[in-house]
Amino acid sequence: AQSVTQLGSHVSVSEGALVLLRCNYSSSVPPYLFWYVQYPNQGLQLLLKYTSAATLVKGINGFEAEFKKSETSFHLTKPSAHMSDAAEYFCAVSYPNQAGTALIFGKGTTLSVSS
Amino acid sequence: GAVVSQHPSRVICKSGTSVKIECRSLDFQATTMFWYRQFPKQSLMLMATSNEGSKATYEQGVEKDKFLINHASLTLSTLTVTSAHPEDSSFYICSASPAGAYEQYFGPGTRLTVT
Repeated sequence: AQSVTQLGSHVSVSEGALVLLRCNYSSSVPPYLFWYVQYPNQGLQLLLKYTSAATLVKGINGFEAEFKKSETSFHLTKPSAHMSDAAEYFCAVSYPNQAGTALIFGKGTTLSVSS
Repeated sequence: GAVVSQHPSRVICKSGTSVKIECRSLDFQATTMFWYRQFPKQSLMLMATSNEGSKATYEQGVEKDKFLINHASLTLSTLTVTSAHPEDSSFYICSASPAGAYEQYFGPGTRLTVT
């Protein structure tokens, strides 16, 4: 069955430190992968997406993610955390030939940033 | 681009009444829209997939007679919570996909409180 696992429900970093949020998928075919961010009481905003082009994907707000097929991973990183990065982050997956179908979401990771 | 709006952002209603939530894609046509429910500090739970001009497809366990979904145009889908009860209180989020796209764009969400 297709699934997405986000390791670590809560990640805490200091301002200026590296941010690493982990996402692994389970699939027999290469998926399309997405990272979304959600601020309190708001909807989700697309940070970046991988759809079989370059494996290193750059997104908004300085985030990037690398698709590693051998590790079935799509971890989200940012070199230097800002206080404004504190939010909930969701990894999601879809599959080729499934445009218009619902994404499969991970359970989310809460990122806290301390000064 | 790819903006999705939701109205209202917050609604308080009395038990037994019905509430309608609107989801609009503002700058693209959405052949498919999705409705989610989110409980505090949890991931999104897909309720139904709505295709323009046809009946919505509901996820297992979601009562279609209680959560009425209409997708009458390529830019508008509505969710009506009928005979609302306090346990229906939640954060409801819609999303939309442009034709042929894999990513979804999310509305800002609607906070429903049933008293």
